[in-house]
Amino acid sequence: EIVLTQSPGTLSLSPGERATLSCRAGQSVSSSSLAWYQQKSGQAPRLLIYGASSRATGIPDRFSGSGSGTDFTLTISRLEPEDFAVYYCQQYGSSPTTFGPGTKVDIK
Amino acid sequence: EVQLLESGGGLVQPGGSLRLSCAASGFTFNTYAMSWVRQAPGKGLEWVSVISHTSDSLYYADSVKGRFTISRDNSKNTLHLQMNSLRAEDTAVYYCVKTHWSGYYIYWGQGTLVTVSS
Repeated sequence: EIVLTQSPGTLSLSPGERATLSCRAGQSVSSSSLAWYQQKSGQAPRLLIYGASSRATGIPDRFSGSGSGTDFTLTISRLEPEDFAVYYCQQYGSSPTTFGPGTKVDIK
Repeated sequence: EVQLLESGGGLVQPGGSLRLSCAASGFTFNTYAMSWVRQAPGKGLEWVSVISHTSDSLYYADSVKGRFTISRDNSKNTLHLQMNSLRAEDTAVYYCVKTHWSGYYIYWGQGTLVTVSS
């Protein structure tokens, strides 16, 4: 199975700052089959990005995804108070689908 | 508005069984694959099982294969997960998830907590 590594484990930033989250795969993710999810405390995850760079319905354009192969990035251009949460990447190009361990974005 | 409402979680002893259900509304249920994804307390996300829109294809994580059975009733817009021979490591919140045919998770229910403990 494809192992996903996310870095950093925790990102401490202030509202208005730019957040850059990394997701690295142990082997190439086929067809850029990489998704990002946001999970706030006590809530279910929410789809942000699929296909490495396509925003899901209703997701603000401050969220963007990029990358291919083994290296992917989620960028939040300017952090809003509601963006402080845990972010997970998922690869769905190879079976079984796998998730990264998550990056927590907290308030500095 | 899409709604996925899970039920059936609770406390069960090791070796016991539980049946989770998920009532879906707000979308054409019989055209989407559906999945169960779990999250142990304080941990990350783990895929458990997926079923195609017609129930023709069923897949399981190795950790639950032979113990869990996924099923759906398209006439009732309902997804199920029968869990047998439960272990302490199955303790988690179980999410019902509307799944894109390619494999990403479009919409998640709020989850139901399963606790396996004596």
